[in-house]
Amino acid sequence: DAGVIQSPRHEVTEMGQEVTLRCKPISGHDYLFWYRQTMMRGLELLIYFNNNVPIDDSGMPEDRFSAKMPNASFSTLKIQPSEPRDSAVYFCASSLFPAAYGYTFGSGTRLTVV
Amino acid sequence: DQQVKQNSPSLSVQEGRISILNCDYTNSMFDYFLWYKKYPAEGPTFLISISSIKDKNEDGRFTVFLNKSAKHLSLHIVPSQPGDSAVYFCAAGTGNQFYFGTGTSLTVIP
Repeated sequence: DAGVIQSPRHEVTEMGQEVTLRCKPISGHDYLFWYRQTMMRGLELLIYFNNNVPIDDSGMPEDRFSAKMPNASFSTLKIQPSEPRDSAVYFCASSLFPAAYGYTFGSGTRLTVV
Repeated sequence: DQQVKQNSPSLSVQEGRISILNCDYTNSMFDYFLWYKKYPAEGPTFLISISSIKDKNEDGRFTVFLNKSAKHLSLHIVPSQPGDSAVYFCAAGTGNQFYFGTGTSLTVIP
């Protein structure tokens, strides 16, 4: 299994532009999570899905952030418009049984908004 | 407000000695706890877990201890090896949704 695949690995964009981050979870995993890592706050949960349905999006910082999971093998996190304070590493993770096995994380997308 | 706290940003230990990483949480409803290890430019990898019905879980050189009354957990690595140098995150939650600490950077000195 290739693991959780995120793209792109790095993204540099100008303030005000739309950014789309992509994630392919491990096949068979029912749960998909989007996290953001910053020095100050560590890993913050933004949103998670179960069977493609958003369960909790209370971590999404603003309406500028949106996430979709149109099918079991693909999810996107979109920021529109982007701002410099959105600069962070964004991780996608998937799991079959989080409590017992934890999550499997992707390698992350490092976003820089200038 | 942080529900999971790792108050030591960094820790240095000599190879062969014990590494102890600490974590505190605030929500008494949390009943599952995880530790992750992260190398630079990689995603965190799952290390070990414990549920609230236990106070200790062991996997090779790694042992996690849970003190529910103090809302505290710790990860012991014995003996520490240079390859253990990484950032360690603890996470706590109620089953599907986990909250992470800010991480502790462990350096094992050869």
